Amino acid sequence: QTVVTQEPSFSVSPGGTVTLTCGLSSGSVSTSYYPSWYQQTPGQAPRTLIYNTNTRSSGVPDRFSGSILGNKAALTITGAQADDESDYYCVLYIATGISVFGGGTKLTVL
Amino acid sequence: EVQVVESGGGLAQPGGSLRLSCAASGFTFASFAMSWVRQAPGKGLEWVSTIGRGGDTYYADSVKGRFTISRDNSKNTLYLQMHSLGAEDTAIYYCVKRGIYYFHFWGQGTLVTVSS
Repeated sequence: QTVVTQEPSFSVSPGGTVTLTCGLSSGSVSTSYYPSWYQQTPGQAPRTLIYNTNTRSSGVPDRFSGSILGNKAALTITGAQADDESDYYCVLYIATGISVFGGGTKLTVL
Repeated sequence: EVQVVESGGGLAQPGGSLRLSCAASGFTFASFAMSWVRQAPGKGLEWVSTIGRGGDTYYADSVKGRFTISRDNSKNTLYLQMHSLGAEDTAIYYCVKRGIYYFHFWGQGTLVTVSS
């Protein structure tokens, strides 16, 4: 069973930079997993931020960026703002038609 | 404007059945794969099922054999037929328009509660 790992929580100061990661319990994440990232604030539907590792979805500010760092996918938020305080989920496409979510990272901006 | 609107959620008995629908508009429905993703109360997101443009279907192990995804391209509608429901199926179910390899556009969700 494929397990996608994320930090349970993270905090960043307003204006600061934070990098959230997305790994595999067994193995390395590469672009072949087409990592994607989603933001969800309480009571709201998720919003697509990044797909295919580093492509920003329409309307997403360029302070959100995606990459591969070492053996993990990464989401970097540069110049964090108060309304970035959300849950962030990564997804890996692990086989034809099969996607796996990470457990999510709760980001606090304070 | 792309829209996907879920309906059909509600209260179901343990062991019961429920059918969710998702009405799509603002895009060529037949040209896109579609997915269902769920979120149990206070928990993370979980991929449930995907149906391709050609009708190929895929399921998470947790629902395989109990849930059936389908689509009616003439009605621009996605469905999720759920059987043998258990408490673990209690969740908000989101209908999602897919991009290639990712979830592109999310509906607002419909709540399914399984309880006696």
